[in-house]
Amino acid sequence: NAGVMQNPRHLVRRRGQEARLRCSPMKGHSHVYWYRQLPEEGLKFMVYLQKENIIDESGMPKERFSAEFPKEGPSILRIQQVVRGDSAAYFCASSPAPQGVTQYFGPGTRLLVL
Amino acid sequence: SQQGEEDPQALSIQEGENATMNCSYKTSINNLQWYRQNSGRGLVHLILIRSNEREKHSGRLRVTLDTSKKSSSLLITASRAADTASYFCATDLIIQGAQKLVFGQGTRLTINP
Repeated sequence: NAGVMQNPRHLVRRRGQEARLRCSPMKGHSHVYWYRQLPEEGLKFMVYLQKENIIDESGMPKERFSAEFPKEGPSILRIQQVVRGDSAAYFCASSPAPQGVTQYFGPGTRLLVL
Repeated sequence: SQQGEEDPQALSIQEGENATMNCSYKTSINNLQWYRQNSGRGLVHLILIRSNEREKHSGRLRVTLDTSKKSSSLLITASRAADTASYFCATDLIIQGAQKLVFGQGTRLTINP
């Protein structure tokens, strides 16, 4: 059973470009979470999605950031018009149920904005 | 401020010694989880302890939970160089029936050979 997959592992963008981060949850998991980690800090929750639904996006900036988890295919975190402050590691986690269970994390995508 | 706060922020010990890391949190929880993160890598789940549990073991790891003090500790016995990593506690915050994890800043553990 493959773990949570994320790609790309590293992404370099210039200011103003778009960044698309992909996450494939573990098999059988329909709950996906995105977290952001700034250097030397812990992870901060961004958004929680189930298939085709955004359940909680309270941690996601209102502008330039969006997330989706379509019926088919991976979950996508999209950052438009990136700025240097978006440089961070973005982690995806998945779980088989909405609560009371372990969230399994992917290897992360490290975004560098030049 | 952070829901979970680890203490100490950094810890350096000799191989073979025991390492203890502490975590304090502010609000009521259902579960508390400990994760390990090697430098530049993803998070590896170590242990989940529920609010009605006081202690849990997994190999060389021992986790305690004191809900009256809103604190948890992670003990790694007989440390090895491979244990060098950052360790995070994460508490669950239930919103709209769903769990999101709130992480502390982490403890950076260095095991010296």
